[in-house]
Amino acid sequence: ETGVTQTPRHLVMGMTNKKSLKCEQHLGHNAMYWYKQSAKKPLELMFVYNFKEQTENNSVPSRFSPECPNSSHLFLHLHTLQPEDSALYLCASSPRYLSGELFFGEGSRLTVL
Amino acid sequence: GENVEQHPSTLSVQEGDSAVIKCTYSDSASNYFPWYKQELGKRPQLIIDIRSNVGEKKDQRIAVTLNKTAKHFSLHITETQPEDSAVYFCAARGSQGNLIFGKGTKLSVKP
Repeated sequence: ETGVTQTPRHLVMGMTNKKSLKCEQHLGHNAMYWYKQSAKKPLELMFVYNFKEQTENNSVPSRFSPECPNSSHLFLHLHTLQPEDSALYLCASSPRYLSGELFFGEGSRLTVL
Repeated sequence: GENVEQHPSTLSVQEGDSAVIKCTYSDSASNYFPWYKQELGKRPQLIIDIRSNVGEKKDQRIAVTLNKTAKHFSLHITETQPEDSAVYFCAARGSQGNLIFGKGTKLSVKP
């Protein structure tokens, strides 16, 4: 166990649904990240939080809304998604902001119908 | 923008053979180059990394080389085993601090 836990592991939702992905890390890391992993594409950085403050939003559509209540928990709220948003969403943490090894969770496989 | 190209996209080798995966990066200020391994259905995990002040680093059967002048770095796996089968991602940390990932290489090691 790397200490980064994501739930749910699988999620199927309609385009009008509202759902949330959850990530938890117990590594004492200061930075947390959301990545999107699609087939045959590089890992895409979506959001970065440093000490629970958002520092990066890489032109992500507003239908994705992150929340970081504390440095151990990270959420990704999903609303009116499109089928092309179907992907594996990976949470990661690192000891310091944009520095050091990334520790990934196992991902949440999202399917938008 | 910053970019990392990774080749090949798929690689199939016989058990015991060597495997080489190559990456090039665009940001000459990049100073950290990790490699992640992602087994089917699992999380990506760091297997080796190299910093720009070093040209080569080895860890048992895996090694990474870096050519800063040419802006490319490579992963070498010797004596491959079936459990090496996975998708391997290279990455480069650019001047903005973010890790820029390659598209991945699916390595298949045939027994």
